Amino acid sequence: GENVEQHPSTLSVQEGDSAVIKCTYSDSASNYFPWYKQELGKGPQLIIDIRSNVGEKKDQRIAVTLNKTAKHFSLHITETQPEDSAVYFCAARLDTGGFKTIFGAGTRLFVKA
Amino acid sequence: NAGVTQTPKFQVLKTGQSMTLQCAQDMNHEYMSWYRQDPGMGLRLIHYSVGAGITDQGEVPNGYNVSRSTTEDFPLRLLSAAPSQTSVYFCASSRELGGEQYFGPGTRLTVT
Repeated sequence: GENVEQHPSTLSVQEGDSAVIKCTYSDSASNYFPWYKQELGKGPQLIIDIRSNVGEKKDQRIAVTLNKTAKHFSLHITETQPEDSAVYFCAARLDTGGFKTIFGAGTRLFVKA
Repeated sequence: NAGVTQTPKFQVLKTGQSMTLQCAQDMNHEYMSWYRQDPGMGLRLIHYSVGAGITDQGEVPNGYNVSRSTTEDFPLRLLSAAPSQTSVYFCASSRELGGEQYFGPGTRLTVT
């Protein structure tokens, strides 16, 4: 079955620096890769997603890249702000896979002011 | 529009007790699901529903029951709580199968 590995588990950056979180997946059939942000005491919230027919997607300070050959995808946050501090989860599934989403273990991001 | 709501926020049970975690959504979403979140692990799917009256098992269903009598509500029942069920539980809903999932705030359950 699908397995998603996420690194690092903890990441600390200075405000204004960039943060990069990396994930690898095992099932080459996966073609949809969402990223979630979970703030303290709240449920995960979708922040950006990418499908396998594109290599990169950007939304303001957040971007996601996908390397299908290597089965890697990454989240890039530029000009980090204290409010970016949260736990970030990557996930992978077949676009038609319904509920069969496999989540990474999460990265706790600290942005120091 | 409250979105997805869950009650209670926190619960402590003794081994063998039963309880129901409540989940409700006011977005008229057909698809609902329950996940558990454990330290160092990603969210794992317990049960899901594709509409009123229809439920199915996810990745880790043992020890849990669900029912879906209305579109709005999707309760999760623990029949006989075990320490291994200590976790944070999230309910989610989506408008489309495979569409964006909206998560509730979670229930932190401790079983002693």
